[in-house]
Amino acid sequence: GAVVSQHPSRVICKSGTSVKIECRSLDFQATTMFWYRQFPKQSLMLMATSNEGSKATYEQGVEKDKFLINHASLTLSTLTVTSAHPEDSSFYICSGQFQETQYFGPGTRLLVL
Amino acid sequence: GESVGLHLPTLSVQEGDNSIINCAYSNSASDYFIWYKQESGKGPQFIIDIRSNMDKRQGQRVTVLLNKTVKHLSLQIAATQPGDSAVYFCADFEGGNQFYFGTGTSLTVIP
Repeated sequence: GAVVSQHPSRVICKSGTSVKIECRSLDFQATTMFWYRQFPKQSLMLMATSNEGSKATYEQGVEKDKFLINHASLTLSTLTVTSAHPEDSSFYICSGQFQETQYFGPGTRLLVL
Repeated sequence: GESVGLHLPTLSVQEGDNSIINCAYSNSASDYFIWYKQESGKGPQFIIDIRSNMDKRQGQRVTVLLNKTVKHLSLQIAATQPGDSAVYFCADFEGGNQFYFGTGTSLTVIP
């Protein structure tokens, strides 16, 4: 149990376009989901905490207008990278909280050309 | 404690040997701890957890030890296999939504 999926798993886009990443909890309801960014050979970097039905809480240094988060249901949170640039290329990982544990999605690799 | 954007320490072990991965946490209020395994290009996977009222917990080939006095957590992998090569993260939880992830350790198993 406690499976989290992400879609797409990999996306390539042109600079200036927007990209939406979906995070779904498949077998549990996640009132709280988390979005992380990870660079190669580095640890997870928390971007924001997404709460169902309310605004996301962003970590310091993360632009909320750049990384739009919507958590419209108990099983779906979306992250939209707006006007993406090459420096936004990264591995984006979401997680859903079930009881006290975070369960992670498989990640989405974004490459902005 | 939480570590952001740091390069990972590495550990290399011979196949068949035991591996010990260490983690320090800073929040004395944390009462729940988790080890995750992250293979290259994938999201972290839950391995094992332990609550603060325990010192040790065993799973299949893995053991987690908790020393609350010095705020130290370790993951022991018995008879390490090539498939164990991955990055291992610890996380501590103090209730609510407050998770703190360790830096992570990159484990390489040498055949």
